[in-house]
Amino acid sequence: AQSVTQLGSHVSVSEGALVLLRCNYSSSVPPYLFWYVQYPNQGLQLLLKYTSAATLVKGINGFEAEFKKSETSFHLTKPSAHMSDAAEYFCAVSSFGNEKLTFGTGTRLTIIP
Amino acid sequence: ETGVTQTPRHLVMGMTNKKSLKCEQHLGHNAMYWYKQSAKKPLELMFVYSLEERVENNSVPSRFSPECPNSSHLFLHLHTLQPEDSALYLCASRWTSGSRGEQFFGPGTRLTVL
Repeated sequence: AQSVTQLGSHVSVSEGALVLLRCNYSSSVPPYLFWYVQYPNQGLQLLLKYTSAATLVKGINGFEAEFKKSETSFHLTKPSAHMSDAAEYFCAVSSFGNEKLTFGTGTRLTIIP
Repeated sequence: ETGVTQTPRHLVMGMTNKKSLKCEQHLGHNAMYWYKQSAKKPLELMFVYSLEERVENNSVPSRFSPECPNSSHLFLHLHTLQPEDSALYLCASRWTSGSRGEQFFGPGTRLTVL
């Protein structure tokens, strides 16, 4: 079985500050890991993914995430927050041959002007 | 059209109505999904179709009936719904062969049941 835990259902950061959204996973097989972003009244958009290549993954909109096997973590970061980053962010896990994605409960990011 | 499209974007229906949600993917994928997203709840997987066959039915009530006539289209037929079925219904698709698991989502249908 696979699972994802996102610490902090709400995170607020000031514009220009570092964004850090936490994700820990559990998987008995090598995982594939994903971050999705959801803007209000929209579907989920893929930000970035880890699929067993480089452990530091760069995504769209200046976001990146680092896969740390020893810590079972895949935290999402962005050096400088922008107002347009305000959204809900979901971490998800899957694996080779797995039809399904298992999602975390999401983190709502608020940017303070 | 590109990506995954869903119609209608908003739907209001009474408990005795019958309606259908439509999803179409323009990505050449061969697996499609229905999810339910309710306020303050995790994303719930409802149905999975792979190669047009249903491979997952996640204990969804029978008032929700999926249909996948071909690899590009997915429907969710609704009848005698309850107010607690009000939610955002998301469709997603993916390519299963050599896939790393990522799914591509549509914009969703916001359903309100009165």
